[in-house]
Amino acid sequence: GAGVSQSPSNKVTEKGKDVELRCDPISGHTALYWYRQSLGQGLEFLIYFQGNSAPDKSGLPSDRFSAERTGGSVSTLTIQRTQQEDSAVYLCASSPGQGAGLFFGSGTQLSVL
Amino acid sequence: SQQGEEDPQALSIQEGENATMNCSYKTSINNLQWYRQNSGRGLVHLILIRSNEREKHSGRLRVTLDTSKKSSSLLITASRAADTASYFCATDAGGSNYKLTFGKGTLLTVNP
Repeated sequence: GAGVSQSPSNKVTEKGKDVELRCDPISGHTALYWYRQSLGQGLEFLIYFQGNSAPDKSGLPSDRFSAERTGGSVSTLTIQRTQQEDSAVYLCASSPGQGAGLFFGSGTQLSVL
Repeated sequence: SQQGEEDPQALSIQEGENATMNCSYKTSINNLQWYRQNSGRGLVHLILIRSNEREKHSGRLRVTLDTSKKSSSLLITASRAADTASYFCATDAGGSNYKLTFGKGTLLTVNP
């Protein structure tokens, strides 16, 4: 596609439910990142995929968070048993390789009631 | 802790003036990048400067990097109302680790 696509753009869920957020990176980009941003805050790193290497999961805040990247392309971020503090904008970005700029999607606004 | 931190947190200027934002970081890097964010959603990549570069230009943007002081600055010349946005610096962890971490950003307001 022309850019990084994220879906859904908005998600409202009840506390305790599981959610899945999807990211379609730019075709051919080997690196894929997930960040989250709380209102008025900076970006918090969650997870980084680079090619076929093991992902860097050091930013995942708890074991309720997991992510996978299938076939080196589409990625899914899953949050189990959502909590109100999980409410944030979840941003995905892809990059053509190490040492290059990131191309961001428009994010998913997650609201946990 | 934050690898990159911007200052000031907020900056308000008049159209036509120059805006300077600074970024400090803690560990060695491969490169440093600046991004702009409008309306709290996706970020746009502005410029990347490598650790062996000292200055880079792109249109009205000028970025400097001082690796001895572990700092960078972003200068926007002849600002416009459309430049109103949050600006973030991002750094990697150096070595072979290209994981990018972002600062909390500088909110720039350009008044018409």
